[in-house]
Amino acid sequence: EVQLVESGGGLVQPGGSLRLSCAASGFTFSSYSMNWVRQAPGKGLEWISYINSRSSAIFYADSVKGRFTISRDSAKNSLYLQMNSLRDEDTAIYYCAREPPSVIPFDLWGRGTLVTVSS
Amino acid sequence: EIVMTQSPATLSVSPGEGATLSCRASQSVSSNLAWYQQKPGQAPRLLIYGASTRATGIPARFSGSGSGTEFTLTISSLQSEDFAVYYCQQYNKVRSFGQGTKVEIK
Repeated sequence: EVQLVESGGGLVQPGGSLRLSCAASGFTFSSYSMNWVRQAPGKGLEWISYINSRSSAIFYADSVKGRFTISRDSAKNSLYLQMNSLRDEDTAIYYCAREPPSVIPFDLWGRGTLVTVSS
Repeated sequence: EIVMTQSPATLSVSPGEGATLSCRASQSVSSNLAWYQQKPGQAPRLLIYGASTRATGIPARFSGSGSGTEFTLTISSLQSEDFAVYYCQQYNKVRSFGQGTKVEIK
């Protein structure tokens, strides 16, 4: 089955760190760019990071730049998001999303993992 | 950063009626514009890409148009399963989403 499964979410104190993972299966992970998108409770979608298939191009939203790091391991078919210096406003569901090697955008999404930043 | 602005924030429509949702970009995104549908408790689903191309499995009642900075998503005859939140997204320069339009039952 073609799918993405996020994990690693949980409760963390402000200033803390967390590492999210996204496990890919059913397709050739190494051929796709990948993204992280988050959604705060009751709010809209916010794109936060992109990595291309070879990890040679990486982009971040200004809201997370310098605090979050995206990476991937094609041998493990996995995408990661290292989140440091977490703030209350980082509380959200975090989704990973696949981006095909064409002009089609996010064609496959995971179900998300909830990150709660609170003391 | 390209800012995407959607209107209206909420659209009240009766089943069987049509709906038109708008999306404006703060600068040209060419045709690199997508629409997504999100239902409560679910991940978003890709509806339209390239401003007007339906994604695999999307019914013909969904259509997209526009280029540059002005885009429209039209749902020709709303079915019960179409009541949801719709987001536009540009992927011309990095990526960014609009704030969403909620389509609710009138």
